[in-house]
Amino acid sequence: QVQLVESGGGVVQPGRSLRLSCAASGFTFSTYAMHWVRQAPGKGLEWVAVLSNDGSKKYYADSVKGRFTISRDNSKNTLYLQMNSLRAEDTAMYYCAKGGAALGDYWGQGTLVTVSS
Amino acid sequence: QSVLTQPPSVSAAPGQKVTISCSGSSSSIGNNYVCWYQQLPGTAPKLLIYDINKRPSGIPDRFSGSKSGTSATLGITGLQTGDEADYYCGTWDSSLSAWVFGGGTKLTVL
Repeated sequence: QVQLVESGGGVVQPGRSLRLSCAASGFTFSTYAMHWVRQAPGKGLEWVAVLSNDGSKKYYADSVKGRFTISRDNSKNTLYLQMNSLRAEDTAMYYCAKGGAALGDYWGQGTLVTVSS
Repeated sequence: QSVLTQPPSVSAAPGQKVTISCSGSSSSIGNNYVCWYQQLPGTAPKLLIYDINKRPSGIPDRFSGSKSGTSATLGITGLQTGDEADYYCGTWDSSLSAWVFGGGTKLTVL
């Protein structure tokens, strides 16, 4: 069955960096676009970024553009999110979600990122 | 301020029907497919509806979607207490080159 498992979250100081990973299994990872979506505590869903199946096309939310980088390693069935210059407002649960016919026919359980001094 | 507008909350009695609206623009809902998600407390979102009115495997036909112009609607019939959750609409916005979500609607089954 399809599984998406995020990791790499934690507590980080403002201005520092963090890299999230999303390990995929149960489907042909290299044929699907993948997304990162986040949710601040008590708030709604916020889309972060999407990467095409071959890594050639990537799009970002304005709130993270220039600070976050989405990437993937199809040989390892893994999606990444490199987060630099972190701010308090980046504090959220970060989910990876499978693309395809729709955003998020499968979601991971999320990894929590807390930006605090 | 979300690009897609949803009512903050809706409520109805068990067994009744409820609809949740999602208003967008020509660059979002007007020209792209719409998805609906259910998020139960403390869990990841789950896809309910995609491509306006298609349901993934395992989603009961009590859930339905529709679209008219720049607005979309999620319908839920035969309400159950287990349907109490937050519901989000989402679509691609061609002008922003970004996926956008509505602010979410909290469904209470009285």
